[in-house]
Amino acid sequence: AQTVTQSQPEMSVQEAETVTLSCTYDTSESDYYLFWYKQPPSRQMILVIRQEAYKQQNATENRFSVNFQKAAKSFSLKISDSQLGDAAMYFCACVDFGNEKLTFGTGTRLTIIP
Amino acid sequence: GAVVSQHPSRVICKSGTSVKIECRSLDFQATTMFWYRQFPKKSLMLMATSNEGSKATYEQGVEKDKFLINHASLTLSTLTVTSAHPEDSSFYICSARPSGGAGEQYFGPGTRLTVT
Repeated sequence: AQTVTQSQPEMSVQEAETVTLSCTYDTSESDYYLFWYKQPPSRQMILVIRQEAYKQQNATENRFSVNFQKAAKSFSLKISDSQLGDAAMYFCACVDFGNEKLTFGTGTRLTIIP
Repeated sequence: GAVVSQHPSRVICKSGTSVKIECRSLDFQATTMFWYRQFPKKSLMLMATSNEGSKATYEQGVEKDKFLINHASLTLSTLTVTSAHPEDSSFYICSARPSGGAGEQYFGPGTRLTVT
């Protein structure tokens, strides 16, 4: 069974600064996908970034990037130049290749300080 | 792209009645759709996995006779909460997984159900 752990229930960052959200996971599979989802106050879940486990290169989407450490089973999210609109709950998630169900972490609430 | 709609966004119903929630993938086909429940300040709890043209697979502890799921087409799944009780009040979210996708799911905006 998969597990996803987010050890930071809450984080805060000054506007325009950089913040890193932590995520560790455990899976017995060698092929899997990792995701970060954002849930703002509207509660709409938004896919922020994805990483295929077989790819060594870290995924990047504009101000969002990941640090994927496969051996350590770590998948952190870095948000650069934080903006007020980045304030949200962030969920890390994992799915094994060929499986259907996402396993979510417990989430990290990110506050942006103006 | 990858837009999922959910209707209604809010619904209030009386105890004992049934309510139907629709989930549609607007610009892609989804062989598989999912229904989640989310309690305040908590992560998403998967209720069931819905595959087009077949019976839904329910997670342990979820009453399949109370939460009826139908996935009639590649773009539409419905969740019907039957004989609703106040404890069914919650935030329900659907998601859809694109056919041939890389495991990602795209989420609807959610439905706030209040049972009085």
